[in-house]
Amino acid sequence: GAVVSQHPSWVICKSGTSVKIECRSLDFQATTMFWYRQFPKQSLMLMATSNEGSKATYEQGVEKDKFLINHASLTLSTLTVTSAHPEDSSFYICSARSSTSTDTQYFGPGTRLTVL
Amino acid sequence: AQTVTQSQPEMSVQEAETVTLSCTYDTSENNYYLFWYKQPPSRQMILVIRQEAYKQQNATENRFSVNFQKAAKSFSLKISDSQLGDTAMYFCAFMKYGTGTASKLTFGTGTRLQVTL
Repeated sequence: GAVVSQHPSWVICKSGTSVKIECRSLDFQATTMFWYRQFPKQSLMLMATSNEGSKATYEQGVEKDKFLINHASLTLSTLTVTSAHPEDSSFYICSARSSTSTDTQYFGPGTRLTVL
Repeated sequence: AQTVTQSQPEMSVQEAETVTLSCTYDTSENNYYLFWYKQPPSRQMILVIRQEAYKQQNATENRFSVNFQKAAKSFSLKISDSQLGDTAMYFCAFMKYGTGTASKLTFGTGTRLQVTL
């Protein structure tokens, strides 16, 4: 149980285009999902917290207009990187917190984004 | 704000031996959770063990156990009978009680563990 999937697992795009990453909780409902960014050999940096049916809460320094987050259902959150640039290239990871077991976050396998 | 410190960037242990990874944290909260996550080369984050701050008993999960010292704000991870599959990056993380944004994880910088033959 407690499986979180991400799609796609990797994506390459041209500078200026937008990319959408999906995060799904497969066997549980998640009222809260989190989006992280991880640079090589570094820790996870929280970008934003998304709650189902409401606006995401962004961490300081994260551009909300660039990283659009939607959490339209209890099993799906999406992160859209708008007008991507090479500096947005990174590993993006989502996690989901169960509605019933609120003390643990379960992580997706991550998405590697490369912007050319 | 909470901070989590892992002072050992890299560690190495021989197969079947025991290794301890250090973690200290700083918080003014009284109720919180602490976690150890493992990130192998696949980069999938895997929960290793968790501890609730109100519990005095140290958590154990098979070969993994913690030494939780609340007063000292220390939360070390002991891996017994190390296996090659334990090779990974290990992150210590803090989460205070709450919902929504209050339940976000604060991660340490990680310790890269290499298990050798």
